[in-house]
Amino acid sequence: GENVEQHPSTLSVQEGDSAVIKCTYSDSASNYFPWYKQELGKGPQLIIDIRSNVGEKKDQRIAVTLNKTAKHFSLHITETQPEDSAVYFCAASNNMGGGSNYKLTFGKGTLLTVNP
Amino acid sequence: DAGVIQSPRHEVTEMGQEVTLRCKPISGHDYLFWYRQTMMRGLELLIYFNNNVPIDDSGMPEDRFSAKMPNASFSTLKIQPSEPRDSAVYFCASDRRTWGEAFFGQGTRLTVV
Repeated sequence: GENVEQHPSTLSVQEGDSAVIKCTYSDSASNYFPWYKQELGKGPQLIIDIRSNVGEKKDQRIAVTLNKTAKHFSLHITETQPEDSAVYFCAASNNMGGGSNYKLTFGKGTLLTVNP
Repeated sequence: DAGVIQSPRHEVTEMGQEVTLRCKPISGHDYLFWYRQTMMRGLELLIYFNNNVPIDDSGMPEDRFSAKMPNASFSTLKIQPSEPRDSAVYFCASDRRTWGEAFFGQGTRLTVV
């Protein structure tokens, strides 16, 4: 099955700095890579995703890059703000063809702290 | 839409008791997932359904766990008998296949003493 590794497990930055979280995956058939943000006491919420036919995607201060050859993808947050503090999860799935492949495998998460 | 609704939000029970967690997915979503979150193991997929049919239950820890989806708007995860090691936050999520974006509920924090 799919295995997703996520680094670092904790990340502390100063407000205004950039933050980068990296993930690697094992299954070359994976084609969908979402990132989730989880605030304390809440469920994970999708913040951005990328599909295998795209190398980069940007949404305001958040960007994700994908390198299919190397099987890794990264989340970039620029101009960080205190409200960006949360746990971030990467995930991977193969959402074509249904069956047992159609499920998200999550990384272990990164606790991001943005210090004012 | 109110999003994915889970109940209860918190559950404290004694070892050996039966526990039932409930989930109402977003209307129109044909996939439903049950996840368990712990500090040690992170987010683990327990089971998922497509059109109310269980597709993959390979993540269910053991026979004490069972899940049902009697209709498109309701699912349950049952643990019988419960054990202290079952203590975790259990999340339900739903998804429309064409988008692949899973929406999570607020979770149920289960404590077995």
